[in-house]
Amino acid sequence: DQQVKQNSPSLSVQEGRISILNCDYTNSMFDYFLWYKKYPAEGPTFLISISSIKDKNEDGRFTVFLNKSAKHLSLHIVPSQPGDSAVYFCAAPSTGANSKLTFGKGITLSVRP
Amino acid sequence: DAGITQSPRHKVTETGTPVTLRCHQTENHRYMYWYRQDPGHGLRLIHYSYGVKDTDKGEVSDGYSVSRSKTEDFLLTLESATSSQTSVYFCAISGQGNTGELFFGEGSRLTVL
Repeated sequence: DQQVKQNSPSLSVQEGRISILNCDYTNSMFDYFLWYKKYPAEGPTFLISISSIKDKNEDGRFTVFLNKSAKHLSLHIVPSQPGDSAVYFCAAPSTGANSKLTFGKGITLSVRP
Repeated sequence: DAGITQSPRHKVTETGTPVTLRCHQTENHRYMYWYRQDPGHGLRLIHYSYGVKDTDKGEVSDGYSVSRSKTEDFLLTLESATSSQTSVYFCAISGQGNTGELFFGEGSRLTVL
């Protein structure tokens, strides 16, 4: 039973436009959420996170929005750049002292020049 | 960049042979993880370690074992490789067990023929 879901496998946007990547979750006990970015032949790298007590966190061109009532979060990239083309994973840590990250299946973002 | 190295980076083997992947860190982080990445499945946790000789199973642990005899090394062993274990394997480390930010290695691509 997947607790973190990314239902859209891919997204294509024009350079300069907004990219919106969506993520849904089922466990209301998650304390915070993270987004990771992955380029081909490289390991994932941390991008941005948000605590469950907030509804927005912004870092430069990247903003994550959290809607707890809908159990939904989204990553906005404005403006999108070709270098943003990558796979984006939504993730959440399980509760407990030795928590583990549960990842969604990922969304492949392509930004067209 | 976090000091994580995985070896080998690429390996081709035959069904039924044993395989060991090594993850080495120079960060003295307590937590270490092995994930596999497959199309349509995202990143799935195989095993993790929360200290020397302390390990636990993840969501896809069948067919895998791990060992951690010292802080810097975390070994993933496939006792008898199968074609379903063809994948890209990522090691990750974390200094804290419940904050979620992981640092990933560059991956080990394993092909089982």
